[in-house]
Amino acid sequence: DTAVSQTPKYLVTQMGNDKSIKCEQNLGHDTMYWYKQDSKKFLKIMFSYNNKELIINETVPNRFSPKSPDKAHLNLHINSLELGDSAVYFCASSQTLGQGALPGELFFGEGSRLTVL
Amino acid sequence: AQSVTQLGSHVSVSEGALVLLRCNYSSSVPPYLFWYVQYPNQGLQLLLKYTSAATLVKGINGFEAEFKKSETSFHLTKPSAHMSDAAEYFCAVSDPGFGNEKLTFGTGTRLTIIP
Repeated sequence: DTAVSQTPKYLVTQMGNDKSIKCEQNLGHDTMYWYKQDSKKFLKIMFSYNNKELIINETVPNRFSPKSPDKAHLNLHINSLELGDSAVYFCASSQTLGQGALPGELFFGEGSRLTVL
Repeated sequence: AQSVTQLGSHVSVSEGALVLLRCNYSSSVPPYLFWYVQYPNQGLQLLLKYTSAATLVKGINGFEAEFKKSETSFHLTKPSAHMSDAAEYFCAVSDPGFGNEKLTFGTGTRLTIIP
């Protein structure tokens, strides 16, 4: 069973389209994240949710809208896609401090490679 | 703000040789530091972490790292490289203000193993 699973794994689309990436974790964690990895492998946090509540939003354009229907799911919807949105998007999860977790112990999905043409 | 700098975007070593990947951090408070590994077409996985306990930290697959406050460094080492170690390695620092939620990653070092 995959701990953190993302779909789709690959996504090719035209500029201006709207697309979504889904993420699910079966680890029982209460915090989930979206990270963006650009073509130079630089990883940057985009969003973090704790128990369905947004706690980190790193100055991401509002074309990006995360949605967390429950603490096991965090989806990413992107409107009006631009060329610069091409990247690999990683979902991750962790357990909140104070419940047995050590800091920074994130569990990552395999990534969703988005290509905007 | 916390940050990490990884010196050398590409490192090549011969199989059986010492692996040394460098990471220096910048932090106004005692940091938590991590090394993650990313194999091709996979997500990142935790290799090891420093959380203010022992300064020499041992991780998976024979890797270890030493926290040196005087040098603001957290270099990753392995005595003898194996072909399976070929991957991208990321150093990261945790922002204590956000508990364990917010990691700032370095730009990564690609490790190539020469047979």
